[in-house]
Amino acid sequence: SSELTQDPAVSVALGQTVTITCQGDSLRSYYASWSQQRPGQAPTLLIYGKNNRPSGIPDRFSGSSSGITASLTITGAQAEDEADYYCNSRDSSDNRQLFGGGTKLTVL
Amino acid sequence: QLQLQESGPGLVKPSETLSLRCTVSGASISNTNSYWAWIRQPPGKGLEWIGHIHSTGIISYNPSLQSRVIISVDTSKNQFSLKLTSVTAADTAVYYCARLLPGDWNYRFDPWGQGTLVTVSS
Repeated sequence: SSELTQDPAVSVALGQTVTITCQGDSLRSYYASWSQQRPGQAPTLLIYGKNNRPSGIPDRFSGSSSGITASLTITGAQAEDEADYYCNSRDSSDNRQLFGGGTKLTVL
Repeated sequence: QLQLQESGPGLVKPSETLSLRCTVSGASISNTNSYWAWIRQPPGKGLEWIGHIHSTGIISYNPSLQSRVIISVDTSKNQFSLKLTSVTAADTAVYYCARLLPGDWNYRFDPWGQGTLVTVSS
């Protein structure tokens, strides 16, 4: 299968921890990358590789992977974390790039 | 600091060709470690990878769009371009350009342009 599956929506109480998942066969071969998209803005890279954060990304964001599932964890969610989150990876059989359908995070 | 900026018409008529350009600043588009990608997002929907190109001419397209898409690169202008033919209302979307970086068993899009809305309508 050449798809990445995400839950459409997740909610978290302010200051609590939330995990957003991404599933797909390609994740057996490639790590997922995670991007955040706030309303009306372009996506920005959050996590890539095994668990790498670009400069400027808070350390409350972390990534992990097991089998066909990649996870993005936010430890101590803040109001500004309310956004859409997308995973992506390379397809395992060719050079295509795949995106998950996105998860809308609501911070209560 | 690497920046990307999309440009092109915001309105295209059905059956015509959508043409967009992405200008790269702060780094050379000929950087051998980078690919240059187009991604789109229909209103209220998720991200869809359109395709990407390397400065050496290596190209990969989304199979669902492959028959209508051409991505090209102009190293002299530090730009790359997107052409999408025979557009319909379903091609209405915000179009983003982005750098695609390969890594150790990982690919990432970083950075992204701000995006440009293209509406297909008569």
